[in-house]
Amino acid sequence: KAGVTQTPRYLIKTRGQQVTLSCSPISGHRSVSWYQQTPGQGLQFLFEYFSETQRNKGNFPGRFSGRQFSNSRSEMNVSTLELGDSALYLCASSLAAASYEQYFGPGTRLTVT
Amino acid sequence: AQSVTQPDIHITVSEGASLELRCNYSYGATPYLFWYVQSPGQGLQLLLKYFSGDTLVQGIKGFEAEFKRSQSSFNLRKPSVHWSDAAEYFCAVGAVGAAGNKLTFGGGTRVLVKP
Repeated sequence: KAGVTQTPRYLIKTRGQQVTLSCSPISGHRSVSWYQQTPGQGLQFLFEYFSETQRNKGNFPGRFSGRQFSNSRSEMNVSTLELGDSALYLCASSLAAASYEQYFGPGTRLTVT
Repeated sequence: AQSVTQPDIHITVSEGASLELRCNYSYGATPYLFWYVQSPGQGLQLLLKYFSGDTLVQGIKGFEAEFKRSQSSFNLRKPSVHWSDAAEYFCAVGAVGAAGNKLTFGGGTRVLVKP
């Protein structure tokens, strides 16, 4: 069974631009979570989607948003990029609503210049 | 709110020696606990998990972890380290209940393996 896939793997954007990252969960998994990883703040939870509904959101500004499609694929969007948004963005999928066992993709490395 | 502390930022171990990584958590109820490993430039791979039952859990790659409620700890161990175990290791606690699948991670421990 294929794992979690994320596209693109690498991205360079300019401050003020917006970016959309994509995540395809493991087949049959219905929950998708997003995390931001930086050297200074470590791994931080962004949000989680299940059945196209956002169930939980971390402590990030409204510039960070996401959505989930009927096939469980998810996208996250960051508008008005700031230098501090440079990070590895990780997507994780889980089988069900409260399975907690999450499987991570390879991440998207976003660099904001 | 839950939190996870990994006291050791870096650990250097010789190949073939044993390894123990410390993890302390703070959570108001029975936690769901995890250990993940991350190789450079990669995502996180689940090593093992504890939900309930036997407090000693076995994982992949020869790792095991022991849940000690009295010490709020979930330490990871491996009897004999291989050079391929050099990576960063993260302990995480899962929120239980209607809050959904949210993991709170520790700061990570980077393991260096000496030949």
